[in-house]
Amino acid sequence: GAVVSQHPSWVICKSGTSVKIECRSLDFQATTMFWYRQFPKQSLMLMATSNEGSKATYEQGVEKDKFLINHASLTLSTLTVTSAHPEDSSFYICSAVAGGPETQYFGPGTRLLVL
Amino acid sequence: SQQGEEDPQALSIQEGENATMNCSYKTSINNLQWYRQNSGRGLVHLILIRSNEREKHSGRLRVTLDTSKKSSSLLITASRAADTASYFCATEEGNNRLAFGKGNQVVVIP
Repeated sequence: GAVVSQHPSWVICKSGTSVKIECRSLDFQATTMFWYRQFPKQSLMLMATSNEGSKATYEQGVEKDKFLINHASLTLSTLTVTSAHPEDSSFYICSAVAGGPETQYFGPGTRLLVL
Repeated sequence: SQQGEEDPQALSIQEGENATMNCSYKTSINNLQWYRQNSGRGLVHLILIRSNEREKHSGRLRVTLDTSKKSSSLLITASRAADTASYFCATEEGNNRLAFGKGNQVVVIP
């Protein structure tokens, strides 16, 4: 099946720094990728829709200036958490769409800990 | 938006028993999907049922969908220790956007 990778798998950073997370579709092209955030023992919350070559669409309540999304190619989307704070500590998961709803593949997630 | 809701939240069963979990949603859907998540890992797609389908099987999985009640159930038959995980339903709201439910944590005791 199709594979989506994320890098890094985990990251620890100091408060105030920025962190970039990459999401790559390894063997298919993805015009659309999604970014989710998951707090411990909670469900996934959709943060934004990343479309190749255009601006991301953010869900209500998600600060676009804090969570910068760039979908520079059909196989790569990046999420940058700017000026990270401890409350941004979470599990960030991306997914990539190869075609219809049955072809959405999830990455393994990136665990972010902000000290 | 998060509209899927599962009940119960946690389930502990003996290996070999069946596990049933439910999901309800609030708006019209194109399809409903079930995912599994092992602790600290990404999601694995289990099964998708379209809005015009009522029941679907995949191996030891059986999913039902009742659009009149806006609910779905996932049945895992003959559970195994490896089935221990969190299970989420997700509704597709158009443009491939998924709204996930709260999740069920299933523990299968060997």
